[in-house]
Amino acid sequence: NAGVTQTPKFQVLKTGQSMTLQCAQDMNHEYMSWYRQDPGMGLRLIHYSVGAGITDQGEVPNGYNVSRSTTEDFPLRLLSAAPSQTSVYFCASSYGGGANNEQFFGPGTRLTVL
Amino acid sequence: AQKVTQAQTEISVVEKEDVTLDCVYETRDTTYYLFWYKQPPSGELVFLIRRNSFDEQNEISGRYSWNFQKSTSSFNFTITASQVVDSAVYFCALSLRSYNTDKLIFGTGTRLQVFP
Repeated sequence: NAGVTQTPKFQVLKTGQSMTLQCAQDMNHEYMSWYRQDPGMGLRLIHYSVGAGITDQGEVPNGYNVSRSTTEDFPLRLLSAAPSQTSVYFCASSYGGGANNEQFFGPGTRLTVL
Repeated sequence: AQKVTQAQTEISVVEKEDVTLDCVYETRDTTYYLFWYKQPPSGELVFLIRRNSFDEQNEISGRYSWNFQKSTSSFNFTITASQVVDSAVYFCALSLRSYNTDKLIFGTGTRLQVFP
């Protein structure tokens, strides 16, 4: 099993550009989520999904869109990147009871917005 | 409000010292789960432990131990005889799961540096 994979590992964008951060898992996990990690702020939940076709907002959803068309994939879209979105992004997945279970994290994507 | 507070931003110890990382949580729910994750310098996040709100037994795993006290809303983590490899950022987290929400809320983390 590859676990949770994220692409790209690094990305530099200019303000206003759009992009999609990819996340995939091969563990048949129902629950997937996106976090951003900023210095001194810990990990903050952006969006999460409890299954294909179902998504919901986390703590810091503004500026990000998600969709969940398959169990395996949970892409995160930045429609118009801003410098405030410079961060490290982690995707995670878990089985069964979602947030109550161990989260398996991807390796992260380091995004810089100029 | 649901919240996780890790008041210790950074802790430095010398190898073989014992160290305790504090975690205080807030929630009105009676059913919840608490977690600890480790983030070593390489950046990945590693699961350490999960505890549900109905199980206040302390847990020991090798040099690691966890003390859960509902009376003080705390879930503290102790490393005995610390080693350089324990140097990492440690996160405490609280799960919020009800009929309309399913979220994991993290604290801001404690950076532990263990010097030889």
